[in-house]
Amino acid sequence: DQQVKQNSPSLSVQEGRISILNCDYTNSMFDYFLWYKKYPAEGPTFLISISSIKDKNEDGRFTVFLNKSAKHLSLHIVPSQPGDSAVYFCAARANFGNEKLTFGTGTRLTIIP
Amino acid sequence: KAGVTQTPRYLIKTRGQQVTLSCSPISGHRSVSWYQQTPGQGLQFLFEYFSETQRNKGNFPGRFSGRQFSNSRSEMNVSTLELGDSALYLCASSSDDNYGYTFGSGTRLTVV
Repeated sequence: DQQVKQNSPSLSVQEGRISILNCDYTNSMFDYFLWYKKYPAEGPTFLISISSIKDKNEDGRFTVFLNKSAKHLSLHIVPSQPGDSAVYFCAARANFGNEKLTFGTGTRLTIIP
Repeated sequence: KAGVTQTPRYLIKTRGQQVTLSCSPISGHRSVSWYQQTPGQGLQFLFEYFSETQRNKGNFPGRFSGRQFSNSRSEMNVSTLELGDSALYLCASSSDDNYGYTFGSGTRLTVV
């Protein structure tokens, strides 16, 4: 049962344009969402997060949008740079106890110079 | 502050053997979580240890086990290896509330 889904396994974007990565979730108990970026042969690194009390969080070129009613979040990267080429995972956790992070299947983003 | 250290980085084992992977968390972090990454499956949660106790568990068979020591270092063990166990095994440490993980570089296990 995949509670966090990233339906696009891959995405190619021209350098300088906007990259939009999408993520859907099914568990209504999730209240905190994160995006991680992963390069080959390295562990995922934290990128940006958002709490369910917000609908947008911005950090430099990265913005995460949360639509709770649609159980959907997205990561926008503007402008896209070649160094952004990586696999991006969204993750979520529930709002009780010490719940684990549940990850999506990842989207491989390729920035075309 | 040193990051999360996983050893070994690469491992090749034969089907039926067992393997032990090690993870040293960030100093001060008491929570250690283990994930398996395979193509198309994303990061599948194995288990989490906090203060030497298993706090969360994923849906993996009993061949997968783990433990945590008093210094927060953790090991995971896979017995009776199968070809399908070939994957990248990632360890992550976090502070007590689990609101953010720091991952190690992983151990790439290949079962032949």
